[in-house]
Amino acid sequence: DAEITQSPRHKITETGRQVTLACHQTWNHNNMFWYRQDLGHGLRLIHYSYGVQDTNKGEVSDGYSVSRSNTEDLPLTLESAASSQTSVYFCASSEFSGTNYNEQFFGPGTRLTVL
Amino acid sequence: TQLLEQSPQFLSIQEGENLTVYCNSSSVFSSLQWYRQEPGEGPVLLVTVVTGGEVKKLKRLTFQFGDARKDSSLHITAAQPGDTGLYLCAGVDDSWGKFQFGAGTQVVVTP
Repeated sequence: DAEITQSPRHKITETGRQVTLACHQTWNHNNMFWYRQDLGHGLRLIHYSYGVQDTNKGEVSDGYSVSRSNTEDLPLTLESAASSQTSVYFCASSEFSGTNYNEQFFGPGTRLTVL
Repeated sequence: TQLLEQSPQFLSIQEGENLTVYCNSSSVFSSLQWYRQEPGEGPVLLVTVVTGGEVKKLKRLTFQFGDARKDSSLHITAAQPGDTGLYLCAGVDDSWGKFQFGAGTQVVVTP
């Protein structure tokens, strides 16, 4: 069965360190998204990609970067982790179909703590 | 940035009661989706509504899209403990191809 996975599921790091969160999907979807979820804010879009070599900034992209070298993977990198980046991170994928977007399939999330 | 406001933020009810949660925006969306999220998991799609005034039913859940495509509601009849979760609405705007999520309504149904 197709799926979307994230690793690690839990990560504790220190301020200033570089951290990379992995996202891998086997749906063969062109669209991939990274969100962070914080209490009271819901899901906020960090970066997204519509295909290989395509990346775009979302509403809270400062301090984060992504790269898309193949269809399956969209790793999220925190260049220099800050305590404000402590959050739960979700990766999602979807496929554009006609005039309506299909559902987004979400990974299980990565809980990141920056000390 | 289009904003989606969900209300209430938290809802606690007894099993068998009915509940309604709301999702409102000042902007028009091409379509609107409702997701449910359980602790430790990612959101899972419940329904997509695309036409103004559309009503969709999923067992005991009824979803409505406002005529002007700016708002939506989710009504649960005879709630069960299994309905407990965080309900998120997401507006889709074809012009920029992204989803805008509301902050969610946490629903707790106690036996």
